Amino acid sequence: QQQVKQSPQSLIVQKGGISIINCAYENTAFDYFPWYQQFPGKGPALLIAIRPDVSEKKEGRFTISFNKSAKQFSLHIMDSQPGDSATYFCAASTWEGSYKLIFGSGTRLLVRP
Amino acid sequence: DAGITQSPRHKVTETGTPVTLRCHQTENHRYMYWYRQDPGHGLRLIHYSYGVKDTDKGEVSDGYSVSRSKTEDFLLTLESATSSQTSVYFCAITSDSLGNSPLHFGNGTRLTVT
Repeated sequence: QQQVKQSPQSLIVQKGGISIINCAYENTAFDYFPWYQQFPGKGPALLIAIRPDVSEKKEGRFTISFNKSAKQFSLHIMDSQPGDSATYFCAASTWEGSYKLIFGSGTRLLVRP
Repeated sequence: DAGITQSPRHKVTETGTPVTLRCHQTENHRYMYWYRQDPGHGLRLIHYSYGVKDTDKGEVSDGYSVSRSKTEDFLLTLESATSSQTSVYFCAITSDSLGNSPLHFGNGTRLTVT
């Protein structure tokens, strides 16, 4: 049972292009939706996060779009750079006696020079 | 970095042997988590702790146990390692509810069970 479904599994984008990664969730109790970025040999690190009371959040070249009715959210990376090449994870959490973060399966992004 | 040290960083062990992984934090954070990372599965929660001696199961807890006798240390034990437990294990910490404080990860332990 996968509570957060992420696609695509891998993505290749040319430098300067837009990278788009999508996630869908099932549990309507989720109330916090972060994206994590992971470089090889390192642990994931928080990139950007959103709550369901807003439809979009932008931080620099990174934007989260959130569609509560469709139970979907996506990460857009504008003007993608080779340094953005990494694995990206969407996640969702809610309070169930304690906070637990449930992750998607990850997207490996390669930005070609 | 958030002051998280995982040890060992790499380990190779044989099937049936016990293995303990250690997570040590210097942030005095209340919540600690153990995840495993496998291709195609992302990060899956094994166990977590919401205080000293307070632990609970995650989604893939079978075959694993944990202990937290001090705020700074969270141990993950594989009582009898199996090949299916070959994975990269990540410890993570946070000080508050996940909406107010991000989850900080260590750099992982790569475990190979032969």
